[in-house]
Amino acid sequence: AQSVTQLGSHVSVSEGALVLLRCNYSSSVPPYLFWYVQYPNQGLQLLLKYTTGATLVKGINGFEAEFKKSETSFHLTKPSAHMSDAAEYFCAVKPSGQGAQKLVFGQGTRLTINP
Amino acid sequence: NAGVTQTPKFRVLKTGQSMTLLCAQDMNHEYMYWYRQDPGMGLRLIHYSVGEGTTAKGEVPDGYNVSRLKKQNFLLGLESAAPSQTSVYFCASSRQGASEKLFFGSGTQLSVL
Repeated sequence: AQSVTQLGSHVSVSEGALVLLRCNYSSSVPPYLFWYVQYPNQGLQLLLKYTTGATLVKGINGFEAEFKKSETSFHLTKPSAHMSDAAEYFCAVKPSGQGAQKLVFGQGTRLTINP
Repeated sequence: NAGVTQTPKFRVLKTGQSMTLLCAQDMNHEYMYWYRQDPGMGLRLIHYSVGEGTTAKGEVPDGYNVSRLKKQNFLLGLESAAPSQTSVYFCASSRQGASEKLFFGSGTQLSVL
């Protein structure tokens, strides 16, 4: 079964520092890949998604992610963290080539920004 | 811009009680989903629907039932609540399936004592 692993349940960075949130998936066929963000007491919002084509995907709020098929990874980065980036981030995958319309989510990574 | 609306936002139940969570979307989306969110486990799919009158099981369907009588509404029912169903429940919708952007409601926090 398709699975998604996010390395690190908590990540803490200083304001202005690089943000790197890691995501690996298990699949023999490149899937659709997503990053969602959840701010406190809210539902999830889409940050970015990869379907096909360019492997570097740009999203909202200055985030981007790179699909690396050889490493089965889809890590999320932002060059300079802002206090407003504090939230929980979820990587998700929809396996390609299957009829079921399901997203499988990772466990989530809580990002804390230190002033 | 309502988007996806969930009611209620909070609820406390006693073991064995029943309740229904309502999800309504005003975007004319075909697909609707119910997820539960538990600490350290991310979101897990309970049931989903690919159109009015259809439902399908997700990863963790036991103890829940759903109905999609109208395109805009997706109901999640707990017939006999158990403490293991204490969770935050999220409804989501999308235009044409999980390969597209999912729009989420703000969640329902349910405690079963």
